[in-house]
Amino acid sequence: DTEVTQTPKHLVMGMTNKKSLKCEQHMGHRAMYWYKQKAKKPPELMFVYSYEKLSINESVPSRFSPECPNSSLLNLHLHALQPEDSALYLCASSQDQGRTNTEAFFGQGTRLTVV
Amino acid sequence: DAKTTQPNSMESNEEEPVHLPCNHSTISGTDYIHWYRQLPSQGPEYVIHGLTSNVNNRMASLAIAEDRKSSTLILHRATLRDAAVYYCILRDRLYSGGGADGLTFGKGTHLIIQP
Repeated sequence: DTEVTQTPKHLVMGMTNKKSLKCEQHMGHRAMYWYKQKAKKPPELMFVYSYEKLSINESVPSRFSPECPNSSLLNLHLHALQPEDSALYLCASSQDQGRTNTEAFFGQGTRLTVV
Repeated sequence: DAKTTQPNSMESNEEEPVHLPCNHSTISGTDYIHWYRQLPSQGPEYVIHGLTSNVNNRMASLAIAEDRKSSTLILHRATLRDAAVYYCILRDRLYSGGGADGLTFGKGTHLIIQP
């Protein structure tokens, strides 16, 4: 199984709502990532979890709150988002073996629209 | 990580070879060259990576210049399914941050395949 599964595929939320994005992998990977991708732009790194601990936060606003409950799951909790936060949110995973031969596996993303 | 330069877009015909260039004139001796691609409405997927020697896998070949200042991703017989944005990414294997870190995507090359 080389899949990273993200749910939901699409999400529309109001600016006062609280919602969560979910990501799951069963490849035994110990590194998991959240990326944000605006239309016609490349993905941008948001967070990195390494062995279930947050290791990188790319100065993401606190209205985005990541959580890694166990080695297979990664959540992104959303609260009080703005319309400009509308984007494709991508989850990825990789073996935590540094950079030499680490291939990252991406999910298909959650298309988020904030209204 | 050193930066890469890729053409914004390229066009090719179905069932013909495609050569996607990437310039990385400031590459260091410990930088690996990685290629990912992103098909429409999907997350990025790993294509290939290499250090010095040319590399082949089931998806593509990677030709690395002798001075390593440029590389070329070769799709031997393009199909309509190969239409995607192709990203060339350098990753220094001596990254000192420890543990996993995310990918830094440039703008990539938008490959258009004509039937």
